[in-house]
Amino acid sequence: EPEVTQTPSHQVTQMGQEVILRCVPISNHLYFYWYRQILGQKVEFLVSFYNNEISEKSEIFDDQFSVERPDGSNFTLKIRSTKLEDSAMYFCASSELGEGEQFFGPGTRLTVL
Amino acid sequence: GENVEQHPSTLSVQEGDSAVIKCTYSDSASNYFPWYKQELGKRPQLIIDIRSNVGEKKDQRIAVTLNKTAKHFSLHITETQPEDSAVYFCAASTMNNAGNMLTFGGGTRLMVKP
Repeated sequence: EPEVTQTPSHQVTQMGQEVILRCVPISNHLYFYWYRQILGQKVEFLVSFYNNEISEKSEIFDDQFSVERPDGSNFTLKIRSTKLEDSAMYFCASSELGEGEQFFGPGTRLTVL
Repeated sequence: GENVEQHPSTLSVQEGDSAVIKCTYSDSASNYFPWYKQELGKRPQLIIDIRSNVGEKKDQRIAVTLNKTAKHFSLHITETQPEDSAVYFCAASTMNNAGNMLTFGGGTRLMVKP
């Protein structure tokens, strides 16, 4: 069964550094999402992406964040200058349809020191 | 924006008993309500979902009910088994062709004691 994959599984970085989190959505899916989960808290929506552009974003997704689909398979989340409060588990998800089930990746644990 | 509240935050049941988890939402435009199960260290996985044109949906031991008037929906697990132990998240969204932004509840840690 196809799955969403994410790399790396764990990323440790210094405050102020840029990080890029990578995701490979399921191949025939058209809608892509990033969520984050701070330890012990709820899963929070960051951004949705469709037809090569952002379709929706939350208040969390400020100018420090950007997303890109650089080729036909990868979907990336970039944080330009990381802050301590960016430490969280970041989940990528994809769906075939806008109204369809979202399949989640295994997550990338980001630790900002 | 949408706000989803989930109760209880932890739930402990004896194997074979039923478990009920409840969620409320604030946005009357929400029309899609999925439930995700997340085992320790693993990805959230969809276990059941319901759309606003339906009041109840069942899949073997799992059922979900939706009350649109009261803006609440519930997950029911019957004949619980130890492997049902996990964190369960409810979510709500307004689906459209541009995507499906999920707003999650705070999660319920279900522990099924053998």
